[in-house]
Amino acid sequence: AQSVTQPDIHITVSEGASLELRCNYSYGATPYLFWYVQSPGQGLQLLLKYFSGDTLVQGIKGFEAEFKRSQSSFNLRKPSVHWSDAAEYFCAVGGGKIIFGKGTRLHILP
Amino acid sequence: DAGVIQSPRHEVTEMGQEVTLRCKPISGHDYLFWYRQTMMRGLELLIYFNNNVPIDDSGMPEDRFSAKMPNASFSTLKIQPSEPRDSAVYFCASSLSYRGNTEAFFGQGTRLTVV
Repeated sequence: AQSVTQPDIHITVSEGASLELRCNYSYGATPYLFWYVQSPGQGLQLLLKYFSGDTLVQGIKGFEAEFKRSQSSFNLRKPSVHWSDAAEYFCAVGGGKIIFGKGTRLHILP
Repeated sequence: DAGVIQSPRHEVTEMGQEVTLRCKPISGHDYLFWYRQTMMRGLELLIYFNNNVPIDDSGMPEDRFSAKMPNASFSTLKIQPSEPRDSAVYFCASSLSYRGNTEAFFGQGTRLTVV
């Protein structure tokens, strides 16, 4: 069955520190993978997506993610976070329905 | 384009009343999705349409929920009768081609409160 697991419900990092948000998926074929961000009271905005090719994908706002088939993972990274990155982040898998993880809420310490 | 437009943004209703949520997808998009977001269950796909035809409604929780798409520029999600446990944020999203090669664009959501 198609599923997405984001093991961290909350993550707190200091401004300027590096960030990695974890995502594991279960899917029967080559997955289409997405990361979305949601600010309070807003809809979801796409950060980046992976369909094929280079397993390291670049997105908006300085984010990147790496697809690792052997680990069924698609972790999101940013080398240096800004206070404006505080939001909720969702990993999703598609190729049929698009199924979302439960999200990771990112808190930034000044 | 103005993006996906949902109305109303907020809805407060009494238990047992009918609620209708509305969505205007991005012009030219041929897929439309309805999601529900709650703290407990996260973001759930309720139903999606392709070219105005419902493709998969397996996520619709009960017969009290129904969705229609009478034309390419309009969709509704109806709850009748509403119950307090239906309180959630309902999102509509659209995409140009739903085979994973393009992303879903989301509306701002409708926050539904059933009292």
